[in-house]
Amino acid sequence: EPEVTQTPSHQVTQMGQEVILRCVPISNHLYFYWYRQILGQKVEFLVSFYNNEISEKSEIFDDQFSVERPDGSNFTLKIRSTKLEDSAMYFCASSSGQGVHSNQPQHFGDGTRLSIL
Amino acid sequence: AQSVTQLDSHVSVSEGTPVLLRCNYSSSYSPSLFWYVQHPNKGLQLLLKYTSAATLVKGINGFEAEFKKSETSFHLTKPSAHMSDAAEYFCVVSDQNFGNEKLTFGTGTRLTIIP
Repeated sequence: EPEVTQTPSHQVTQMGQEVILRCVPISNHLYFYWYRQILGQKVEFLVSFYNNEISEKSEIFDDQFSVERPDGSNFTLKIRSTKLEDSAMYFCASSSGQGVHSNQPQHFGDGTRLSIL
Repeated sequence: AQSVTQLDSHVSVSEGTPVLLRCNYSSSYSPSLFWYVQHPNKGLQLLLKYTSAATLVKGINGFEAEFKKSETSFHLTKPSAHMSDAAEYFCVVSDQNFGNEKLTFGTGTRLTIIP
């Protein structure tokens, strides 16, 4: 069964440094998402992406965050200047979403654990 | 705005006994509801989904959930727990129609299976 893959599984970065989290969505999917889960808290929506542009973003997704689909397979999340509070598990998801009533759920990767020192 | 409330942060059952994980939702529209499971150090796996068709939804690994509009509930059940069911379970509601929706997660219920 096709799956969403995320790399790296664990990223350790100094505060203030830039970090890029990578995701390869399922190949025929058109809608892409990032979520995060701070340790001990609920999973939170960050951003959705379709047709090479952001569809919706949460208040968490400020100017320090950006997303990109640089080629036909990768979907990346960049944090420009990391803060301690960015430490979390980041999940990528994708869905085929072929229309309003497509009935297609989101499929998640295993996540990248980001640790800011 | 959509929201879900998972009423129990931790549930423990003995192997072979029934499982009940409770979820209540709040929605301004007809919701789409899901249960996802997260095993340790793994991603979120879809167990089942409700999409305004049958109110009793069957999922993988013997789990099922019943959508009850009058009670705004979507509880997850399994007749007989297995050791491999030990994991974190999330009740999730989608904010819009399928295709480009943002998911809103509950706080999760950790299921422990007692041998």
